[in-house]
Amino acid sequence: DAGVIQSPRHEVTEMGQEVTLRCKPISGHNSLFWYRQTMMRGLELLIYFNNNVPIDDSGMPEDRFSAKMPNASFSTLKIQPSEPRDSAVYFCASSLSRLAGDPKNIQYFGAGTRLSVL
Amino acid sequence: KQEVTQIPAALSVPEGENLVLNCSFTDSAIYNLQWFRQDPGKGLTSLLLIQSSQREQTSGRLNASLDKSSGRSTLYIAASQPGDSATYLCAADQTGANNLFFGTGTRLTVIP
Repeated sequence: DAGVIQSPRHEVTEMGQEVTLRCKPISGHNSLFWYRQTMMRGLELLIYFNNNVPIDDSGMPEDRFSAKMPNASFSTLKIQPSEPRDSAVYFCASSLSRLAGDPKNIQYFGAGTRLSVL
Repeated sequence: KQEVTQIPAALSVPEGENLVLNCSFTDSAIYNLQWFRQDPGKGLTSLLLIQSSQREQTSGRLNASLDKSSGRSTLYIAASQPGDSATYLCAADQTGANNLFFGTGTRLTVIP
């Protein structure tokens, strides 16, 4: 398996522009997670889906952020409008299970998208 | 809210040395504790997962321990190698739904 695939790897945009980040989870995984990593705040969970349904979006910073998972093999994270403080590395991860105590709930991470908002 | 702390933030050791990385968490009601490795410019790779009912897990030269009552976990790396150089992050699963709270990591450099 190719692992979790994220695109683009790097994105540079200007303040106010719309940004869309993409993620393809590992085939057969039923949980998908979006994270943001910054030097100041470390790695933070933004939202996660189970069976394509958003379960907890309490980590989404504000209404400018939205995420969708139209099918089991694709998810997007959209920022509209983007701001310089959104600059970070955004990771997508997937897991086979989200059940506590299940060793299959290990998360597999993509390589990330480095976003720079000027 | 769960807070996870890792000390030190950076560590340099000569090749062959055994070392311990520390992780502490404020809320002991966790479902599991996980250790990840992150290489520069890459995503995270899972190393070890310790269930709340377990005391330790081992994988090759890595051994992770968990003491829930004191809110601590350690990652022991035996006979360190230059290839072990990376940032190591611990994460606590607070809700049992794989909702992870991450520490800020320890950047390890193993000097040949």
